[in-house]
Amino acid sequence: DAGITQSPRHKVTETGTPVTLRCHQTENHRYMYWYRQDPGHGLRLIHYSYGVKDTDKGEVSDGYSVSRSKTEDFLLTLESATSSQTSVYFCAISSTGVDEQYFGPGTRLTVT
Amino acid sequence: AQKITQTQPGMFVQEKEAVTLDCTYDTSDPSYGLFWYKQPSSGEMIFLIYQGSYDQQNATEGRYSLNFQKARKSANLVISASQLGDSAMYFCAMREGGVADKLIFGTGTRLQVFP
Repeated sequence: DAGITQSPRHKVTETGTPVTLRCHQTENHRYMYWYRQDPGHGLRLIHYSYGVKDTDKGEVSDGYSVSRSKTEDFLLTLESATSSQTSVYFCAISSTGVDEQYFGPGTRLTVT
Repeated sequence: AQKITQTQPGMFVQEKEAVTLDCTYDTSDPSYGLFWYKQPSSGEMIFLIYQGSYDQQNATEGRYSLNFQKARKSANLVISASQLGDSAMYFCAMREGGVADKLIFGTGTRLQVFP
């Protein structure tokens, strides 16, 4: 199994508060991704990173920011959480960016 | 327009039988990749199989095979000799060209294997 951890695994927060989710990998892969999973939508890309300090937006990036200061860590921040951001968040990694992505265990976030 | 379509929200199969999960895709890029992932009730996403658009042969991984029909733009997953542990959600996904940011997922098919 690819070495990917996510923290926290579960979080409940209030509307308007900032939230940071962490993805940590031990595979030294260059590419890292954040997805959200909602019923009826499959997984949708939020942001991705193609190297340290190199990030770009995905399909559903509004309300989210990311940072990658080290190869192994990719942080997702909800600047001011809203109820529409209640979701399951998955981190994924890829060595080349075009091969298969391996996913972390997910973080279930509830915004009340 | 949907890039990845999985038309079967749910499927049932008896243990030890084979089952086909459908996936059609839409792209004008000649270079693309197709992936299948499994998501059991525990929630993790497990990579199963990959097919590149230029691959001459259908991909196989153990009991999983990908029935790739390029002209029909379909990439169906075939699971042979189903097991109870195969009960899960299955997602088809596509990467277009060499674009690292674009892995587009379908909405999934829930497979239930019964004894």
